[in-house]
Parts: sequence; C-alpha cells; structure tokens
Amino acid sequence: QVQLTESGPGLVHPSETLSLTCTVSGFSLTGYSVYWVRQPSGKGLEWMGRMRYNGDTSYNSALKSRLSISRDTSKNQVFLKMNSLQTDDTGTYYCTRGGLHWGQGVMVTVSS
Amino acid sequence: DIVMTQTPSSQAVSAGEKVTMSCKSSQSLLYSENKKNYLAWYQQKPGQSPKLLISWASTRESGVPDRFIGSGSGTDFTLTISSVQAEDLAVYYCEQYYDTPLTFGSGTKLEIK
Repeated sequence: QVQLTESGPGLVHPSETLSLTCTVSGFSLTGYSVYWVRQPSGKGLEWMGRMRYNGDTSYNSALKSRLSISRDTSKNQVFLKMNSLQTDDTGTYYCTRGGLHWGQGVMVTVSS
Repeated sequence: DIVMTQTPSSQAVSAGEKVTMSCKSSQSLLYSENKKNYLAWYQQKPGQSPKLLISWASTRESGVPDRFIGSGSGTDFTLTISSVQAEDLAVYYCEQYYDTPLTFGSGTKLEIK
C-alpha cells in the first residue's frame, strides 16, 4: 500500500540548514507528485513546495529563496533542504502524495 | 497567491447538531474547461496528520461518512456536517489546488459541547 515516511534531525540550530527525506513505497515518483507541508506548533498548515512526477518543482513564494526540493527516483526518496532556519521554522513537517496519502510527520525544533 | 479565508475560526456544537463552516477564495477556483472546482477539505484530529475528506469541492473520499457534505462553487464554499459526532472533534482546513502555490485556509476548530 501507499506509504510516506519523513525523516530528519529533530533539532536544528538557528541559521543552519534543514535537510529532510521523504521515503515512499507503494508507488513510483515518476508517476505521482509529492508535496511538502509544514505546521508550526499549534498553528495551521502551510504548503511548502512540490516535486512533480516529471521532475519539475514549485515553491511557496515566501520560502522560495531558502527552499530546495529534489529527488532520487532509484531510492524512492524526495528531499527538502531549507537554509537560514529561524525559530519560527519550528514545527511538524509532512510529505504527502496529492493530499490523500500523508506521512506521520517529523517534528523539527530550531533552537540554540 | 490565492488567499483562502475560513470562518468561523472555532465553533462549539452538541453531538447530533448540524454545523456549517465557510471557505472563501480570493479568486475563482472553477476551471472553465472541465467545470471543476479545485477545492479540498481536510480534517486534522489532535496529534494526527491531516485527512482528505472532500476533493473537487463536493466529492467525498472513499470511506468518509456521508454526514460530511461539501458544496459551493467559484469563490464560496461550505463544509457541512449534518449530525456531528464526538469523533468529529478536529480542525478543518480548506485548500485550493487551482494554482501553485497551493494554499490552505487558517482552519475552523470544531469543539463538542
């Protein structure tokens, strides 16, 4: 069945770069798009960006200068890298396939 | 970017009551070529990932109870829960996927009295 699993460091220091991995199973990354969505603690959902099935990417305008999404289709993985992290980047980061299938999320804390 | 505005921000109802919540978009989500509205509703229960309830403004996903009803077109949309159950305690988000960047509303928190 379709599964998505996020992984990455739980703690990142201010000004550093966040690197997250979304490992998928049950479908091919060349057939479906994968999105990243984040949720600051106690707040709402924010769409961060998308890796389309054909390799194209789209980004949230507010994050575009700091954000990069890539993939390794042979490993069934989608990667998120975001630089210059600040405390308000603290929250839970999800990957999702089309909004129907979601990972469990990974909590990221930005703190010194 | 398309701005999604949800009201109310929170609502408290008793089990068995009907509840409606609104979502308005800053531009039309109706694509003229296929007459579809690119609007989804999600339910997020405490401590859980969001769950897709409704896509195309009114199409329930498989397994979603029929008490969840999506309606509306263009810029005005509504999610109705015809008879609220205790397990419906959650935050409900609308999302437009008409254009990138996709955008979410700020959510309506449903509380059970």
